[in-house]
Amino acid sequence: QKEVEQNSGPLSVPEGAIASLNCTYSDRGSQSFFWYRQYSGKSPELIMFIYSNGDKEDGRFTAQLNKASQYVSLLIRDSQPSDSATYLCAVNVGGYSTLTFGKGTMLLVSP
Amino acid sequence: DTEVTQTPKHLVMGMTNKKSLKCEQHMGHRAMYWYKQKAKKPPELMFVYSYEKLSINESVPSRFSPECPNSSLLNLHLHALQPEDSALYLCASSQDHTGSSYEQYFGPGTRLTVT
Repeated sequence: QKEVEQNSGPLSVPEGAIASLNCTYSDRGSQSFFWYRQYSGKSPELIMFIYSNGDKEDGRFTAQLNKASQYVSLLIRDSQPSDSATYLCAVNVGGYSTLTFGKGTMLLVSP
Repeated sequence: DTEVTQTPKHLVMGMTNKKSLKCEQHMGHRAMYWYKQKAKKPPELMFVYSYEKLSINESVPSRFSPECPNSSLLNLHLHALQPEDSALYLCASSQDHTGSSYEQYFGPGTRLTVT
């Protein structure tokens, strides 16, 4: 059974700090990894995706993938109160673009 | 442009009503998805359409009936729903479905309440 695990949080960080969100997955065949941000009452918004081992940076966001450890993370630098949301990790296994979601981590950034 | 639109934004319906949810994308994507999301839970996949054909049905009750009139449109027809079907219904699209490296983009969702 494919599983994606995230700490439900909340993860509380002060404004300006680095927020580190972590995700582990069970299926070694997983090939693609996505981070979605979801504000309360809104739909998920794709903020990062990563397909290869290593780091991928986009603005204040960095996604890190370690396939050997079956671990993917999202770093948010210079966290802002507007980053307060639930972050969903999603993984898919090769063949079809069907996502398995983690339960999400709530991030709270305090001014 | 990564826009997926959904109508209506909110829907309240009785258990005997028939209603439809609509989704549209103009990104040239060939795969479209319906998800259901309950509060404080991740999205749950319901249906996948690939090149206008139903590719995946995740054992969804027949009171939910999907339809893909063309490559840009996706409908979800609702009939005889139960109160436990109240949820946020999300539409998503991706460039393709056969292959794992395709990002899915979600629409704003329809908040459905069944009374």
